[in-house]
Amino acid sequence: TAGITQAPTSQILAAGRSMTLRCTQDMRHNAMYWYRQDLGLGLRLIHYSNTAGTTGKGEVPDGYSVSRANTDDFPLTLASAVPSQTSVYFCASSDSPGRGSDTQYFGPGTRLTVL
Amino acid sequence: GQNIDQPTEMTATEGAIVQINCTYQTSGFNGLFWYQQHAGEAPTFLSYNVLDGLEEKGRFSSFLSRSKGYSYLLLKELQMKDSASYLCAVRGDDYKLSFGAGTTVTVRA
Repeated sequence: TAGITQAPTSQILAAGRSMTLRCTQDMRHNAMYWYRQDLGLGLRLIHYSNTAGTTGKGEVPDGYSVSRANTDDFPLTLASAVPSQTSVYFCASSDSPGRGSDTQYFGPGTRLTVL
Repeated sequence: GQNIDQPTEMTATEGAIVQINCTYQTSGFNGLFWYQQHAGEAPTFLSYNVLDGLEEKGRFSSFLSRSKGYSYLLLKELQMKDSASYLCAVRGDDYKLSFGAGTTVTVRA
């Protein structure tokens, strides 16, 4: 079982260009999440989806958009990248987002550099 | 808002014990998680606490005191492979996880 896959592994992007980070899970989990991880700040939630067809904003949603057309895929789009979006992006999934014990499982991450 | 504090770095010797503390102030509480993250890799789940007390899982144990807003992760019989960052995360009343910045543990021979 692959779990969660992310693509690309890394990318260098010119400022002003658009980019879609891909995330696919094969665990049939209901919920999916996008985080960014920056040195000294820890993981911060960008957007989430509790079930296919619904999305919500996290702590740092500005400059990012998501869609959840089906259970397995949760792409993250940067419409016009800026250098402050340079970060490592992690996708995660979980089965029961309304339960306290619900555990999130993380993909391998995408390292994005915006120049 | 959510505030989760943990030390930035800790160093310990192989075979020793290390305790990583985490204090939190959050809007509501629905559980506390510890994750391990090796450099350049994804975070992986270690433990979950929702009730006060100690949860033991092999060489790793996690403790929670809800009244004090305090948790610790105890790593025993340290091995070189335990060198990693350890992330404390709290589930608040919105059921979202808020993460601390992580504690980097270096194990020396």
